[in-house]
Amino acid sequence: GAVVSQHPSRVICKSGTSVKIECRSLDFQATTMFWYRQFPKQSLMLMATSNEGSKATYEQGVEKDKFLINHASLTLSTLTVTSAHPEDSSFYICSAVLRYGDTQYFGPGTRLTVL
Amino acid sequence: DQQVKQNSPSLSVQEGRISILNCDYTNSMFDYFLWYKKYPAEGPTFLISISSIKDKNEDGRFTVFLNKSAKHLSLHIVPSQPGDSAVYFCAASAQYTDKLIFGTGTRLQVFP
Repeated sequence: GAVVSQHPSRVICKSGTSVKIECRSLDFQATTMFWYRQFPKQSLMLMATSNEGSKATYEQGVEKDKFLINHASLTLSTLTVTSAHPEDSSFYICSAVLRYGDTQYFGPGTRLTVL
Repeated sequence: DQQVKQNSPSLSVQEGRISILNCDYTNSMFDYFLWYKKYPAEGPTFLISISSIKDKNEDGRFTVFLNKSAKHLSLHIVPSQPGDSAVYFCAASAQYTDKLIFGTGTRLQVFP
C-alpha cells in the first residue's frame, strides 16, 4: 500500500505557541489530503479536506483561523495549530488519496500535548 | 449526530474462533464502506471495503457483509488471531465525495 508519513510523531508545547505538523505522501502524488483528530477512546473526526493549490475545506465547527492548512505540493500538506491551548491536545492524523475514489492511506499520527 | 455507529465498544474472542464486528449507519447516501484497524498511537490501516452494489466482499480471513435495507454492515474475521487485537473502525462515504465518516470503534481482544 501507499506510504504516508507525519512529522513530528509527538510534540509538547506551551499554551499560546503555534505548532506545525507535516503530512507527506512518500511514494505517490496525493491530489487530496485529509486531516483528522481523535480524542481518547473516540472516533476520528474529519477536520478539513486539503486539495493541492487551493484553500482547504473545513468541517463545521472547525476554526480555520486556528487550524491553518497548507497544501503546497502534491506530496506535502501542513497543519498549523495556532495559539495552542490545552484543549487542542489530541491525536492528529492525516490521510492522502491519489485520485478521487481511491482508498485513503493514513499517516501514523501526531500526538500533540499543550501544557 | 453520529451517522456511523459501532454499538459494541469492545469484543473478546478466543483464538481460532470467529470475530464479528458490527456497524450501523443512518445516512442512505452512503455508498461505500470501509473497515480500518488501528493500534494505539498509530494511524488506521485499511483492511477491506465494500461498495453498495455488493452485499459481500472477502479477502483472506476478512469478510465484510452489507445489508443495505437494514443499513448495517459487519466484519467477520476467521480464524481470529492474537495479532488481530486492535481497535476496528468502520467508515462510510457518500457518492461523489472522498470524505470518510468514522464509527466510534470496537476494541477487539483475541486471547489464546
